[in-house]
Amino acid sequence: AQSVTQPDIHITVSEGASLELRCNYSYGATPYLFWYVQSPGQGLQLLLKYFSGDTLVQGIKGFEAEFKRSQSSFNLRKPSVHWSDAAEYFCAVGPRTGTASKLTFGTGTRLQVTL
Amino acid sequence: GAVVSQHPSRVICKSGTSVKIECRSLDFQATTMFWYRQFPKQSLMLMATSNEGSKATYEQGVEKDKFLINHASLTLSTLTVTSAHPEDSSFYICSAPITEAFFGQGTRLTVV
Repeated sequence: AQSVTQPDIHITVSEGASLELRCNYSYGATPYLFWYVQSPGQGLQLLLKYFSGDTLVQGIKGFEAEFKRSQSSFNLRKPSVHWSDAAEYFCAVGPRTGTASKLTFGTGTRLQVTL
Repeated sequence: GAVVSQHPSRVICKSGTSVKIECRSLDFQATTMFWYRQFPKQSLMLMATSNEGSKATYEQGVEKDKFLINHASLTLSTLTVTSAHPEDSSFYICSAPITEAFFGQGTRLTVV
């Protein structure tokens, strides 16, 4: 069965510091990979996605993620965190079906940013 | 990007009553929509797949008679929580896929 692991439940970083959120997955084949951000009481916003090609993908708000097949990982990074980045971040995987299918989510990482 | 609108964003209802949540794709047609449930400080769990013109597909452990899903058109799916109980209180969120999943804003349901 597929699964997504986000080992860090809660991370606190200072504004301006770099950030890396970890995501590992277990899947039968290389899935589609996503990172979403959720502000309190809000829906999910897509930060970036990996379908194929360049394993380093750029997203919105200055985020990037690197797909490493050998490690089954898709870690999210940002070189300099802003206070507005404080939110819950979810890694998700989905099957390669041509159109987005149902997703399996990790448990999320809550990011706190200190000033 | 594509927009998915979910309504209401917040609802409080009494135990035993039913609540309907709407999920609309505003600028594209969605033959399939997904309904997720999120408990406080937990991840999203897929409840069911809503299929336009046919029956929804429910995930294991989800009561289909409690969570009624109707996908009457290519832009609208509804989730009705029937005979709501306090344990049904949760955050419900829908998504509609194109090449990626677009999510509604979510609905915070509180059953009192």
